[in-house]
Amino acid sequence: KQEVTQIPAALSVPEGENLVLNCSFTDSAIYNLQWFRQDPGKGLTSLLLIQSSQREQTSGRLNASLDKSSGRSTLYIAASQPGDSATYLCAVMDSNYQLIWGAGTKLIIKP
Amino acid sequence: SQTIHQWPATLVQPVGSPLSLECTVEGTSNPNLYWYRQAAGRGLQLLFYSVGIGQISSEVPQNLSASRPQDRQFILSSKKLLLSDSGFYLCAWSGTSESETQYFGPGTRLLVL
Repeated sequence: KQEVTQIPAALSVPEGENLVLNCSFTDSAIYNLQWFRQDPGKGLTSLLLIQSSQREQTSGRLNASLDKSSGRSTLYIAASQPGDSATYLCAVMDSNYQLIWGAGTKLIIKP
Repeated sequence: SQTIHQWPATLVQPVGSPLSLECTVEGTSNPNLYWYRQAAGRGLQLLFYSVGIGQISSEVPQNLSASRPQDRQFILSSKKLLLSDSGFYLCAWSGTSESETQYFGPGTRLLVL
C-alpha cells in the first residue's frame, strides 16, 4: 500500500531564505508526483508535476526533484517571500491512477 | 478557461440531517470528477470519482454517496449525517488522460453538530 510522508509538518523561516520541503513515498511504482499549494480554508493549486521518467521540474522560484528509486522528492523554494506562506502538499499517482496524499508541510515565511 | 465551483462554502448541520454538496465545472467537456475529504493534519482522502455521467466509483465505505446527473455536475450526498462527517470537502476535475493533474474547487467546510 502506497504511503506518502512529508517532513517537517511545519516550518518557519525568515524572508529571503532558500528552503527545502521533503516528501517520501513507499512504493516506487508511480506515474507521477505532484506538488500543490493550499492557502488556509481554500482549495488546492497545482504547482509542479513530475512524470515518473523525469528527475525535476522548475517553475519560477520553485524547483521540484524526483528520485523514484529512493522514493523521495524535494520542493526547493528560492528567495522565500511572505506570500509563499501556505501548506504544501505532495501527492503521488499510483499504479491505479489514484492520487495518494501526504499530510502537508505548513510553511510560514516571517517578514 | 476552465473553472470549478463548489457550494455552499460553509455548512453547519445537525447529526442525522441530510446533506447535498454541489460541484460544477465550466469550460471543459467530459472531465473526470473527484470528491475528496480533508481532515485536519491529514492528507486528502479520495471519496468518489467519476469518468462519465452516471459512472461513480467509491473508494471507501461510508454513509456518503455521489451522483453525476450531468457531464459537468458532481453531487455529494448523505441521508443522515454523522459527527465524523465533519471536514473540508474538495471537488476536483481532470482531463481524460489518467496521469493529468487535478484542478480543485474552493472547498466546502462542513461542521456536523
